[in-house]
Amino acid sequence: DIQMTQSPSSLSASVGDRVTITCRASQSISSYLNWYQQKPGKAPKLLIYVASSLQSGVPSSFSGSGSGTDFTLTISSLQPEDFATYYCQQSYSTPITFGQGTRLEIK
Amino acid sequence: QVQLQESGPGLVKPSETLSLTCTVSGGSVSSGNYYWSWIRQPPGKGLEWIGYIYYSGSINYNPSLKSRVTISVDTSKNQFSLKLSSVTAADTAVYYCATTHDILTGYYDYWGQGTLVTVSS
Repeated sequence: DIQMTQSPSSLSASVGDRVTITCRASQSISSYLNWYQQKPGKAPKLLIYVASSLQSGVPSSFSGSGSGTDFTLTISSLQPEDFATYYCQQSYSTPITFGQGTRLEIK
Repeated sequence: QVQLQESGPGLVKPSETLSLTCTVSGGSVSSGNYYWSWIRQPPGKGLEWIGYIYYSGSINYNPSLKSRVTISVDTSKNQFSLKLSSVTAADTAVYYCATTHDILTGYYDYWGQGTLVTVSS
Protein backbone atom coordinates (compact mmCIF):
# COMPACT_ATOMS: atom_id res chain seq x y z
CA ASP A 1 0.00 0.00 0.00
CA ILE A 2 1.11 3.58 -0.64
CA GLN A 3 1.38 5.50 2.62
CA MET A 4 0.33 9.13 2.61
CA THR A 5 1.77 11.36 5.33
CA GLN A 6 0.48 14.86 5.94
CA SER A 7 2.18 17.60 7.88
CA PRO A 8 1.44 19.22 10.11
CA SER A 9 -1.26 17.14 11.80
CA SER A 10 -2.76 20.32 13.20
CA LEU A 11 -2.28 23.97 12.56
CA SER A 12 -3.49 27.18 14.18
CA ALA A 13 -3.83 30.23 11.98
CA SER A 14 -5.69 33.52 11.72
CA VAL A 15 -8.12 34.89 9.19
CA GLY A 16 -6.13 36.34 6.32
CA ASP A 17 -3.10 34.11 6.85
CA ARG A 18 -1.45 32.11 4.08
CA VAL A 19 -1.33 28.42 4.97
CA THR A 20 0.46 25.47 3.40
CA ILE A 21 -0.22 21.80 4.10
CA THR A 22 2.16 19.13 2.87
CA CYS A 23 1.42 15.57 1.76
CA ARG A 24 4.16 13.04 1.09
CA ALA A 25 3.68 9.67 -0.61
CA SER A 26 5.77 6.62 0.25
CA GLN A 27 6.50 6.14 -3.46
CA SER A 28 6.02 8.15 -6.62
CA ILE A 29 2.38 8.68 -7.53
CA SER A 30 2.96 10.97 -10.51
CA SER A 31 0.25 13.65 -10.20
CA TYR A 32 -2.52 11.36 -8.95
CA LEU A 33 -3.13 13.31 -5.79
CA ASN A 34 -6.41 14.85 -4.65
CA TRP A 35 -7.28 17.17 -1.77
CA TYR A 36 -10.47 17.30 0.30
CA GLN A 37 -11.92 19.57 2.98
CA GLN A 38 -14.09 18.09 5.70
CA LYS A 39 -16.16 19.93 8.26
CA PRO A 40 -17.59 18.25 11.37
CA GLY A 41 -20.53 15.97 10.60
CA LYS A 42 -20.17 16.44 6.85
CA ALA A 43 -18.82 14.40 3.97
CA PRO A 44 -15.46 15.38 2.50
CA LYS A 45 -15.59 17.97 -0.25
CA LEU A 46 -13.27 17.79 -3.24
CA LEU A 47 -11.01 20.85 -3.55
CA ILE A 48 -8.15 19.94 -5.86
CA TYR A 49 -7.70 17.00 -8.23
CA VAL A 50 -4.72 15.65 -10.11
CA ALA A 51 -2.43 17.70 -7.86
CA SER A 52 -3.26 21.15 -9.16
CA SER A 53 -6.67 21.31 -10.85
CA LEU A 54 -9.23 23.38 -8.97
CA GLN A 55 -12.63 21.74 -8.63
CA SER A 56 -15.51 23.77 -10.00
CA GLY A 57 -16.98 26.12 -7.43
CA VAL A 58 -13.94 26.06 -5.13
CA PRO A 59 -12.50 29.50 -4.36
CA SER A 60 -9.32 30.45 -6.18
CA SER A 61 -7.67 31.03 -2.80
CA PHE A 62 -7.06 27.27 -2.83
CA SER A 63 -4.22 25.90 -4.93
CA GLY A 64 -2.28 22.68 -5.19
CA SER A 65 1.12 21.76 -6.49
CA GLY A 66 3.61 18.93 -6.64
CA SER A 67 4.34 15.67 -8.38
CA GLY A 68 6.11 12.43 -7.62
CA THR A 69 6.13 12.11 -3.85
CA ASP A 70 5.73 15.65 -2.52
CA PHE A 71 2.61 17.77 -2.73
CA THR A 72 1.25 20.94 -1.17
CA LEU A 73 -2.13 22.52 -0.62
CA THR A 74 -2.02 26.28 -0.16
CA ILE A 75 -4.74 28.60 1.04
CA SER A 76 -3.65 32.09 0.09
CA SER A 77 -5.84 34.04 2.51
CA LEU A 78 -7.77 32.15 5.17
CA GLN A 79 -11.46 32.83 5.50
CA PRO A 80 -13.59 31.84 8.51
CA GLU A 81 -15.24 29.04 6.52
CA ASP A 82 -11.85 27.48 5.73
CA PHE A 83 -11.31 26.19 9.26
CA ALA A 84 -11.76 22.45 8.82
CA THR A 85 -9.80 19.22 8.40
CA TYR A 86 -7.97 18.61 5.13
CA TYR A 87 -7.09 15.23 3.61
CA CYS A 88 -4.92 14.22 0.70
CA GLN A 89 -5.71 11.05 -1.29
CA GLN A 90 -3.69 9.10 -3.84
CA SER A 91 -5.36 7.39 -6.77
CA TYR A 92 -2.20 6.06 -8.42
CA SER A 93 -2.81 2.51 -7.27
CA THR A 94 -5.24 0.49 -5.23
CA PRO A 95 -5.87 0.35 -2.41
CA ILE A 96 -6.62 4.04 -2.63
CA THR A 97 -5.22 5.67 0.49
CA PHE A 98 -5.69 8.94 2.34
CA GLY A 99 -3.43 11.01 4.53
CA GLN A 100 -4.21 11.12 8.23
CA GLY A 101 -5.62 14.64 7.97
CA THR A 102 -4.57 18.15 8.94
CA ARG A 103 -6.83 19.98 11.34
CA LEU A 104 -6.83 23.73 10.69
CA GLU A 105 -7.94 25.70 13.72
CA ILE A 106 -8.54 29.36 14.44
CA LYS A 107 -5.74 31.05 16.41
CA GLN B 1 -25.66 16.15 -10.97
CA VAL B 2 -25.33 12.85 -9.16
CA GLN B 3 -26.81 12.58 -5.67
CA LEU B 4 -26.10 9.70 -3.29
CA GLN B 5 -27.96 8.60 -0.17
CA GLU B 6 -26.88 5.85 2.20
CA SER B 7 -29.37 3.77 4.14
CA GLY B 8 -29.25 0.83 6.50
CA PRO B 9 -29.21 -0.19 10.16
CA GLY B 10 -27.36 2.11 12.52
CA LEU B 11 -26.61 -0.68 14.98
CA VAL B 12 -25.14 -4.10 14.21
CA LYS B 13 -24.19 -6.82 16.66
CA PRO B 14 -20.64 -8.21 16.79
CA SER B 15 -20.04 -11.15 14.42
CA GLU B 16 -23.05 -10.21 12.29
CA THR B 17 -23.11 -8.72 8.79
CA LEU B 18 -23.31 -4.99 8.16
CA SER B 19 -25.50 -4.16 5.15
CA LEU B 20 -25.81 -0.71 3.59
CA THR B 21 -27.39 0.58 0.42
CA CYS B 22 -26.60 3.69 -1.59
CA THR B 23 -29.41 5.08 -3.71
CA VAL B 24 -28.29 7.00 -6.76
CA SER B 25 -30.17 9.85 -8.39
CA GLY B 26 -29.10 12.02 -11.29
CA GLY B 27 -27.09 9.17 -12.76
CA SER B 28 -27.34 5.48 -13.58
CA VAL B 29 -25.43 2.68 -11.84
CA SER B 30 -25.43 0.88 -15.18
CA SER B 31 -23.68 3.78 -16.87
CA GLY B 32 -20.04 3.46 -17.78
CA ASN B 33 -19.47 6.95 -16.48
CA TYR B 34 -18.90 6.13 -12.82
CA TYR B 35 -17.12 3.88 -10.38
CA TRP B 36 -19.32 3.33 -7.34
CA SER B 37 -17.38 3.26 -4.09
CA TRP B 38 -17.60 2.87 -0.36
CA ILE B 39 -15.37 4.76 2.08
CA ARG B 40 -15.54 4.73 5.86
CA GLN B 41 -14.36 6.90 8.74
CA PRO B 42 -14.16 5.69 12.35
CA PRO B 43 -15.24 8.34 14.85
CA GLY B 44 -12.53 10.98 15.20
CA LYS B 45 -10.25 9.25 12.71
CA GLY B 46 -9.27 9.38 9.05
CA LEU B 47 -10.75 7.99 5.86
CA GLU B 48 -10.44 4.37 4.73
CA TRP B 49 -11.27 3.24 1.21
CA ILE B 50 -13.30 0.03 1.16
CA GLY B 51 -13.66 -0.63 -2.55
CA TYR B 52 -15.49 0.08 -5.78
CA ILE B 53 -17.66 -1.57 -8.40
CA TYR B 54 -17.93 -0.64 -12.06
CA TYR B 55 -21.01 -1.24 -14.20
CA SER B 56 -19.21 -3.98 -16.10
CA GLY B 57 -18.92 -5.95 -12.88
CA SER B 58 -15.28 -5.08 -12.29
CA ILE B 59 -14.69 -4.89 -8.55
CA ASN B 60 -11.72 -3.82 -6.46
CA TYR B 61 -11.56 -4.23 -2.69
CA ASN B 62 -9.14 -3.00 -0.07
CA PRO B 63 -7.01 -6.08 0.75
CA SER B 64 -7.35 -5.28 4.45
CA LEU B 65 -11.10 -5.97 4.20
CA LYS B 66 -11.30 -8.19 1.13
CA SER B 67 -12.15 -11.42 2.94
CA ARG B 68 -15.21 -9.80 4.55
CA VAL B 69 -16.49 -7.33 1.92
CA THR B 70 -19.00 -7.62 -0.90
CA ILE B 71 -20.02 -4.68 -3.09
CA SER B 72 -22.84 -5.21 -5.56
CA VAL B 73 -25.14 -3.27 -7.87
CA ASP B 74 -28.92 -3.44 -8.27
CA THR B 75 -29.68 -1.83 -11.62
CA SER B 76 -33.45 -2.22 -11.20
CA LYS B 77 -33.38 0.04 -8.14
CA ASN B 78 -30.43 2.20 -9.26
CA GLN B 79 -28.60 1.29 -6.07
CA PHE B 80 -25.33 -0.23 -5.00
CA SER B 81 -24.69 -2.02 -1.75
CA LEU B 82 -22.07 -2.92 0.81
CA LYS B 83 -21.95 -6.03 2.94
CA LEU B 84 -19.29 -6.46 5.61
CA SER B 85 -19.33 -9.74 7.47
CA SER B 86 -18.09 -10.78 10.91
CA VAL B 87 -18.04 -7.21 12.20
CA THR B 88 -16.31 -6.11 15.38
CA ALA B 89 -16.20 -2.84 17.28
CA ALA B 90 -13.35 -1.79 14.97
CA ASP B 91 -15.89 -1.58 12.14
CA THR B 92 -17.81 1.18 13.92
CA ALA B 93 -17.62 4.12 11.54
CA VAL B 94 -19.44 6.59 9.37
CA TYR B 95 -19.87 4.85 6.02
CA TYR B 96 -19.94 6.98 2.89
CA CYS B 97 -20.87 6.05 -0.62
CA ALA B 98 -19.05 8.09 -3.22
CA THR B 99 -18.33 8.09 -6.91
CA THR B 100 -15.54 8.90 -9.31
CA HIS B 101 -15.84 8.86 -13.07
CA ASP B 102 -12.20 8.16 -13.76
CA ILE B 103 -10.51 5.45 -11.75
CA LEU B 104 -7.04 6.68 -12.69
CA THR B 105 -7.44 10.29 -11.63
CA GLY B 106 -9.71 8.78 -8.99
CA TYR B 107 -11.07 11.91 -7.39
CA TYR B 108 -14.36 11.60 -5.52
CA ASP B 109 -16.55 14.51 -6.55
CA TYR B 110 -19.86 13.12 -5.33
CA TRP B 111 -20.47 11.82 -1.81
CA GLY B 112 -23.43 10.73 0.23
CA GLN B 113 -24.02 12.40 3.56
CA GLY B 114 -22.71 9.36 5.42
CA THR B 115 -24.36 6.99 7.85
CA LEU B 116 -23.02 6.02 11.26
CA VAL B 117 -22.93 2.30 11.93
CA THR B 118 -22.18 1.23 15.49
CA VAL B 119 -21.13 -2.34 16.24
CA SER B 120 -22.28 -3.24 19.72
CA SER B 121 -24.22 -5.93 21.50
